[in-house]
Amino acid sequence: DIVMTQSPDSLAVSLGERATINCKSSQSILSSSNNKNNLAWYQQKPGQSPKLLIYWASARESGIPDRFSGSGSGTDFTLTISSLQAEDVAVYYCQQYYTTPGTFGQGTKVEIK
Amino acid sequence: EVQLLESGGDWVQPGGSLRLSCAASGFMFSRYDMSWVRQAPGKGLEWVSAISGSGGTTYYADSVRGRFTISRDTSRNTLYLQMNGLRVEDTAVYYCAKDVGFGVVSCFDLWGQGTLVTVSS
Repeated sequence: DIVMTQSPDSLAVSLGERATINCKSSQSILSSSNNKNNLAWYQQKPGQSPKLLIYWASARESGIPDRFSGSGSGTDFTLTISSLQAEDVAVYYCQQYYTTPGTFGQGTKVEIK
Repeated sequence: EVQLLESGGDWVQPGGSLRLSCAASGFMFSRYDMSWVRQAPGKGLEWVSAISGSGGTTYYADSVRGRFTISRDTSRNTLYLQMNGLRVEDTAVYYCAKDVGFGVVSCFDLWGQGTLVTVSS
């Protein structure tokens, strides 16, 4: 199985400041068939179900604010929240969908400083 | 409204069985692969099982293979997870999730609210 490792496990950021979450896969998740990275990011607010933010490593899901962006390729990926809002307090997960099972990172908890 | 609604979660003793259901609405259910993803209390997400749109192909995590069976009824727009031989470590909130549709393995653009399965003596 591909292992997904996120860093840090938690971070506290001031309102309006940038939050950066990293995700590393144990092997490349770049698909040779379409030259796309099979990586998604989810947001899970307390007491709620996960919500898809980003797919193909950098494509924003419909309705997701543009302060959320994804980048990276191969094995190293980043989710950036450009200007943290109070409603962004949540746990964020990366997921690879390159191969079965589609494994998730352990999660990164984002809080307000 | 596009939604998934799980049911069937309960408390059960080790070795017992449960069947979870997930009612889908607002989209063409038969066109999409569907999955079950679970989350143990205070822990992260773990993919459990997936089924193709036709129901002809199924996939399982190693941790549940041989004990859990995924199925779907397209006439009822409902996804199921039959869980046998339950273990304490199966305790979790179980979410059903709709695949985006990128292929055999995909990400999930619609999640249910989850149903809690507790396995304890």
